[in-house]
Amino acid sequence: DAGITQSPRHKVTETGTPVTLRCHQTENHRYMYWYRQDPGHGLRLIHYSYGVKDTDKGEVSDGYSVSRSKTEDFLLTLESATSSQTSVYFCATRGVIYGYTFGSGTRLTVV
Amino acid sequence: DQQVKQNSPSLSVQEGRISILNCDYTNSMFDYFLWYKKYPAEGPTFLISISSIKDKNEDGRFTVFLNKSAKHLSLHIVPSQPGDSAVYFCAASASTSGNQFYFGTGTSLTVIP
Repeated sequence: DAGITQSPRHKVTETGTPVTLRCHQTENHRYMYWYRQDPGHGLRLIHYSYGVKDTDKGEVSDGYSVSRSKTEDFLLTLESATSSQTSVYFCATRGVIYGYTFGSGTRLTVV
Repeated sequence: DQQVKQNSPSLSVQEGRISILNCDYTNSMFDYFLWYKKYPAEGPTFLISISSIKDKNEDGRFTVFLNKSAKHLSLHIVPSQPGDSAVYFCAASASTSGNQFYFGTGTSLTVIP
């Protein structure tokens, strides 16, 4: 396993507040991803990173930004949280094996 | 637009019988396919994969079949066990378009003891 840690595991926040989710990996994998999981939509890619300071948008990137200043950390920021961003967020990495290893997820509720 | 579709949100099967989970895709450039299994409150875990140069891949009780002409893949679990009860996601990727996997909406499998 890639040793992926997501923090926090659960968070409740108010509409309009900024929120940052953290993903930390210990396997030195180059590629990291943020997905959200919603009923009826499966897993949808928000942003991904292919190296330090190298990031790109996924299919549902509006309202989100990311940063990767170190190989091991990939941060997802909601600048001004909205109720539509209530979801379960998964971080994933990709190493030598062609496929993803996922973290345990962060359940975010925006009230 | 959903490029990978799992049209059955749920499936119930008796223990010991075969479970068949289906997945359809629309992008003919997809050439690598994965199945993931997800338990509640956990992240998805890799189950089995298949590349487009094959039409079948087997790993123990799990077999994935790929029909490229129909743009369809299926996961067979034989025999089904109660511990197989989980949500199963299929995912597809095109080697020519970077590293993104597209996921289906998932099928919740319940294996009845």
